[in-house]
Amino acid sequence: GDSVTQMEGPVTLSEEAFLTINCTYTATGYPSLFWYVQYPGEGLQLLLKATKADDKGSNKGFEATYRKETTSFHLEKGSVQVSDSAVYFCALTPGGGYQKVTFGTGTKLQVIP
Amino acid sequence: DAMVIQNPRYQVTQFGKPVTLSCSQTLNHNVMYWYQQKSSQAPKLLFHYYDKDFNNEADTPDNFQSRRPNTSFCFLDIRSPGLGDAAMYLCATSRTGSTEAFFGQGTRLTVV
Repeated sequence: GDSVTQMEGPVTLSEEAFLTINCTYTATGYPSLFWYVQYPGEGLQLLLKATKADDKGSNKGFEATYRKETTSFHLEKGSVQVSDSAVYFCALTPGGGYQKVTFGTGTKLQVIP
Repeated sequence: DAMVIQNPRYQVTQFGKPVTLSCSQTLNHNVMYWYQQKSSQAPKLLFHYYDKDFNNEADTPDNFQSRRPNTSFCFLDIRSPGLGDAAMYLCATSRTGSTEAFFGQGTRLTVV
């Protein structure tokens, strides 16, 4: 079945540092790929998405590129802020009739001033 | 704004006392999902409705039921909550042919 693997956390960075959170996936067909963010005590917010190979999703300074050849969707940000502290989930949907979301285990990011 | 709304945001229930969580949507999506997210874990799909058709995940306990009286509303019923059912419950919707699911803010359930 489909699966998503993302790097273990927690990740602790100083403000303005560069962020990379690695994500790889296993899926049949042509999945869509997502990054969701979850702030403490809150639900999931869609951060960015990409629906086909070589697409780049971007939002709020975060970027991720759909790499079919490496089955990867790594999240990057050039300069993190304290307000970016949250848990980040890489996820995929398979396409087709319904969109069951398969999540990675989540990576907790803590940004210190 | 069209959205997915979950009520209440926080729910405290007693051990063994039935509890119902609700979800409504203004997106007119035909598919609705319930996920369970325990502390520090990824969300886990419990079941989904594809239109009126109910689809249970194989490992969802019988203690969990769901109702969808119309397109806009979906309920999660926990018949006899145990301490292990304390979690964040997330409702999501999607539309056939779309690529993404839209999530509500979640209901955090505490069992005492």
